[in-house]
Amino acid sequence: NAGVTQTPKFQVLKTGQSMTLQCAQDMNHNSMYWYRQDPGMGLRLIYYSASEGTTDKGEVPNGYNVSRLNKREFSLRLESAAPSQTSVYFCASSVAGTGFREQYFGPGTRLTVT
Amino acid sequence: AQSVAQPEDQVNVAEGNPLTVKCTYSVSGNPYLFWYVQYPNRGLQFLLKYITGDNLVKGSYGFEAEFNKSQTSFHLKKPSALVSDSALYFCAVRDQSGGSQGNLIFGKGTKLSVKP
Repeated sequence: NAGVTQTPKFQVLKTGQSMTLQCAQDMNHNSMYWYRQDPGMGLRLIYYSASEGTTDKGEVPNGYNVSRLNKREFSLRLESAAPSQTSVYFCASSVAGTGFREQYFGPGTRLTVT
Repeated sequence: AQSVAQPEDQVNVAEGNPLTVKCTYSVSGNPYLFWYVQYPNRGLQFLLKYITGDNLVKGSYGFEAEFNKSQTSFHLKKPSALVSDSALYFCAVRDQSGGSQGNLIFGKGTKLSVKP
C-alpha cells in the first residue's frame, strides 16, 4: 500500500496563477482532509470531505476550492494564487470522520507563490 | 472555544535522559486526544491516542502519554530519549463543537532536539 500520495512535491507559482494539488489514498478511507502548515502555526484545516460526495469548509478555506473526485481522490485548487498561500500543504485520510480514528498523512506539497 | 496548547516551542534533551513534551487542552465534554510526530520533510505520523480508559496510553517507538483530567493535560513522555527521536511533535484534540464533525484541532508543535 502506498498510503496517501500527493503531487506535486514542489511548486513555484506567480501571483494570479492557478494550480491543482492532487491527493489519493489506497486505504479505502471514507474521510479526507487538506491542511496547510505554516511556521509557528501548526496545521490548519482548509477543507475536508467526511465521505464521498461531500465537502465542507475548515478553518481557512478562503482562496481554495476542493473536489472529491471519488472515494480515493481529493484535490485542492488555487484559482488565483497569492503570496499568502505560500505554505506546505498536507492531505490526510481516515477511516471515518468522527475524530476517534487517527489520520494518515501524505508527504506534503511545498508551494511558493512569488 | 476548543483549543490545544503546546507551551514549549522547543525541548532539548540529552540522549538517554527521559523526555516530556507538554500539551494542555480546552474542550467541552470528554476530550479525545492525539499525538503525532513529523520528521524533516515528511508528513505527520500517528503516535498514540486517548479516547477512554486507562490514563496512561502507550504508543509507537516507546512513547507514552498521560491523560490528566484535572489538569487538562496530555503530556507525551519517553523514559530514555534517542537522537532519532529528534522531530516536531504535535498534540491534537477532537473538536467537540457542533458542525465540526469531529475534526482535529492541532497545537502549534514542539521541536524536540536530542543531543548525543
